[in-house]
Amino acid sequence: EADIYQTPRYLVIGTGKKITLECSQTMGHDKMYWYQQDPGMELHLIHYSYGVNSTEKGDLSSESTVSRIRTEHFPLTLESARPSHTSQYLCASSHGPATYEQYFGPGTRLTVT
Amino acid sequence: KNQVEQSPQSLIILEGKNCTLQCNYTVSPFSNLRWYKQDTGRGPVSLTIMTFSENTKSNGRYTATLDADTKQSSLHITASQLSDSASYICVVSAGTASKLTFGTGTRLQVTL
Repeated sequence: EADIYQTPRYLVIGTGKKITLECSQTMGHDKMYWYQQDPGMELHLIHYSYGVNSTEKGDLSSESTVSRIRTEHFPLTLESARPSHTSQYLCASSHGPATYEQYFGPGTRLTVT
Repeated sequence: KNQVEQSPQSLIILEGKNCTLQCNYTVSPFSNLRWYKQDTGRGPVSLTIMTFSENTKSNGRYTATLDADTKQSSLHITASQLSDSASYICVVSAGTASKLTFGTGTRLQVTL
């Protein structure tokens, strides 16, 4: 079982609200990632970080933002939630080169009403 | 464009039976191929990782094969159990980057 945590696990929120999805890992991994997954669909990378103060946008355009102030923490923020943001958000981390494992958190199921 | 295609989309088998899931990819340059198991509402959990030089790898009742020439992989599950019910996702890594290309998964249901 990987030591990567996400909170909240489920969130139902109204349109226009600001939300932050938390992701923490205790494995000391330098690389962290955020994926978005709609039901029955593939995961899409929306943000990644290769270390502290390093963040990049992924392959899928997202209105969310991320920060990496500490190695173990990689929060994702939506300034103004919309129904189109309803999805599952998965955080992952890895250490070392591309051949190394990515460990996933349990995910946050976000519903915007 | 890097793509990973999986078949079948879904599969129902009886407990104790074997099954094989397929993955075809067009990812370049190939780095490694992974199979993940994802339970409903949970994050994916890694089953195997294979590099270009590996053509088979096992993890308990799970055996993955890789044919880098035909760009195909399979995941064979032996003596299925009810707990094997999940989505199985094929994921391919390109080049030296840590970015992955995900398939849409095969939804497996094991029944009594």
